[in-house]
Amino acid sequence: EIVLTQSPGTLSLSPGERATLSCRASQSVRSSYLAWYQQKPGQAPRLLIYGASIRATGIPDRFSGSGSGTDFTLTISRLEPEDFAVYYCQHYRDTFGQGTKLEIK
Amino acid sequence: QLQLQESGPRLVKPSETLSLTCTVSGDSISSSSYFWVWLRQPPGKGLEWIGSIYYSGSAYYSPSLKSRVTMSVDTSKNQFSLKLSSVTAADTTVYYCARWRSSTSSYDYWGQGTLVTVSS
Repeated sequence: EIVLTQSPGTLSLSPGERATLSCRASQSVRSSYLAWYQQKPGQAPRLLIYGASIRATGIPDRFSGSGSGTDFTLTISRLEPEDFAVYYCQHYRDTFGQGTKLEIK
Repeated sequence: QLQLQESGPRLVKPSETLSLTCTVSGDSISSSSYFWVWLRQPPGKGLEWIGSIYYSGSAYYSPSLKSRVTMSVDTSKNQFSLKLSSVTAADTTVYYCARWRSSTSSYDYWGQGTLVTVSS
C-alpha cells in the first residue's frame, strides 16, 4: 500500500510570494499516476495537475508540478488571493495525501 | 459541460444502510474511458476513496470498507449508486461522486458533495 505524505501541514505566505508544496510517496510511483487538487471551503476538490506536471484545462500557468520516483512538488509561482486553500496530492485512484493548508500570512 | 449530482437521504440511523445516487448529465456514463467513483471526506479532514465502478458494472472497493459497500450502475438513467451498510457515527461525512479519467489517472469532474449524518 502506497502512502502519500504531504508537507508542510500548513504554509503561511503572502500574496505575490512563491509557494512550494511537497508530496512524498512511501515507495516509488509512476509519475503518470500523480495528481494535485485544490479544495476551497465548502467546495469539491478541483484538478490542477495530472501526470505529475501537466496542467489541467483552465489552470493558470502560475501552477506547476514536478518530481519523480517518491518526491513530487507543486509550485505556485506568485500567489493570488484565490490560491489560499487546501491542496492534496493523489496517486492512481485510491490514495490521497493528508493535505497542505495554504493560508494567508 | 459534465455535471454530477449526488442525491439521497441526509440523515441515516445507526446500523441502517446509507444509500446515495449520482446522476451524470452532459455525457454518457457508458464510456470505456472512465471509472465512476465514490469518495468521502469527514469535515475538516482528508479524502478517502470508497470505491469505483465501470459502466459494465465491474466494481472495486476500499479494503477497509469492502464488507459494507455495494456500488451499482444504471446506464439507462445515467446514474451510479452507493450503498453502505451497518453505518455508525464514524460514517458521518461529506460524500462525493466523481469521474476518474483513465487516460490521465485523475478525477476531472466532481459532484458538489453531500453531507450525510448518522444519528438516531
